[in-house]
Amino acid sequence: GDSVTQMEGPVTLSEEAFLTINCTYTATGYPSLFWYVQYPGEGLQLLLKATKADDKGSNKGFEATYRKETTSFHLEKGSVQVSDSAVYFCALNNAGGTSYGKLTFGQGTILTVHP
Amino acid sequence: SAVISQKPSRDICQRGTSLTIQCQVDSQVTMMFWYRQQPGQSLTLIATANQGSEATYESGFVIDKFPISRPNLTFSTLTVSNMSPEDSSIYLCSVDGGSGNTIYFGEGSWLTVV
Repeated sequence: GDSVTQMEGPVTLSEEAFLTINCTYTATGYPSLFWYVQYPGEGLQLLLKATKADDKGSNKGFEATYRKETTSFHLEKGSVQVSDSAVYFCALNNAGGTSYGKLTFGQGTILTVHP
Repeated sequence: SAVISQKPSRDICQRGTSLTIQCQVDSQVTMMFWYRQQPGQSLTLIATANQGSEATYESGFVIDKFPISRPNLTFSTLTVSNMSPEDSSIYLCSVDGGSGNTIYFGEGSWLTVV
């Protein structure tokens, strides 16, 4: 079956540091890939997405490129802020057809940014 | 984007009781999805709810434990039955935005079973 593997956390950085959170996946076909973020005490928010190979998703300074050859979708940000402290989830949707909501999630990576 | 409201946002429940979570969307959607996030864990899909048909449950989840209703295209409920402390989780409703394969989540219902 489909699976998503994220880098082990937690990740602790100083403000303005460069962030990479690795995400690799296993899936047949051509899944769509997502990064979601969960701020403390809040629900899940879509951060960015990519629906086909070589697509780059971007939002709020975060970027991730869909790499089919390496089955990866690593999340990057050039300069993190304290407000970026949250849990980040990589996810894929391989249902195709009419069922876009069946997401497979990675285990989540806790990011803490210190001033 | 879709705006999803869930009720209750938080609750503390006695073991052996049942609780119904409501999910309201601000637009008509074909499919609604229910996820569970146990403490410190990732999200797991419970079931898919289509309007006018029985919900489809994922492996490990059964209708007797998690009955779902979907009376119209903007509303769904999930009931957690005969709760035990292991049911303490965040329960999230999600929908397909319908454009470009975007999935939106509600803010979740945080349940603690004591």
